[in-house]
Amino acid sequence: AQTVTQSQPEMSVQEAETVTLSCTYDTSESDYYLFWYKQPPSRQMILVIRQEAYKQQNATENRFSVNFQKAAKSFSLKISDSQLGDAAMYFCAYKGNTGNQFYFGTGTSLTVIP
Amino acid sequence: EPEVTQTPSHQVTQMGQEVILRCVPISNHLYFYWYRQILGQKVEFLVSFYNNEISEKSEIFDDQFSVERPDGSNFTLKIRSTKLEDSAMYFCASSDPLVDMNTEAFFGQGTRLTVV
Repeated sequence: AQTVTQSQPEMSVQEAETVTLSCTYDTSESDYYLFWYKQPPSRQMILVIRQEAYKQQNATENRFSVNFQKAAKSFSLKISDSQLGDAAMYFCAYKGNTGNQFYFGTGTSLTVIP
Repeated sequence: EPEVTQTPSHQVTQMGQEVILRCVPISNHLYFYWYRQILGQKVEFLVSFYNNEISEKSEIFDDQFSVERPDGSNFTLKIRSTKLEDSAMYFCASSDPLVDMNTEAFFGQGTRLTVV
């Protein structure tokens, strides 16, 4: 079965600095999709960034980028120029090429320090 | 921007009682999901629903759980006889397979269920 591991339950970053959130996963599939979701307090999870496993180029969305290492099964999220609004719970998620399930990690709570 | 909405935001129920958690998925989406997160643990898949039937379910989704799309807009999760261990945050999600079978799911804000 696929598993997703986020080894950092909590992280903090100074405003305007850069922070990297870690995620590793385990799968026997060769084709799959990886996601980072953000959940602000009392709000729904929203997609931050997505990476297709067949693409070698790391995905980037404005201040958010990933470091996707397929061989190492690692999918970290880098947030540059951190802003107060980035404070949230961040979930790493995996979805295979077949089936409908998303597999989530336990989340990383990010605090942004003014 | 369209979003998935869930009601109520918090539900407290006595052990053994039935609860219904409600969700309104994004209107043109065809795949619907329920996930749950017990405090401090992973977000776990419960069930997916497509074309008016369950397409996948996890081991967690046993006979005490059921899902229904009673009309064109709502998607409900019923827990027949709640247990203390059902206390969790329950998330509804929807996705649009006509765009991309592997597109992201859009999540609601969750319903916190507390069984006492």
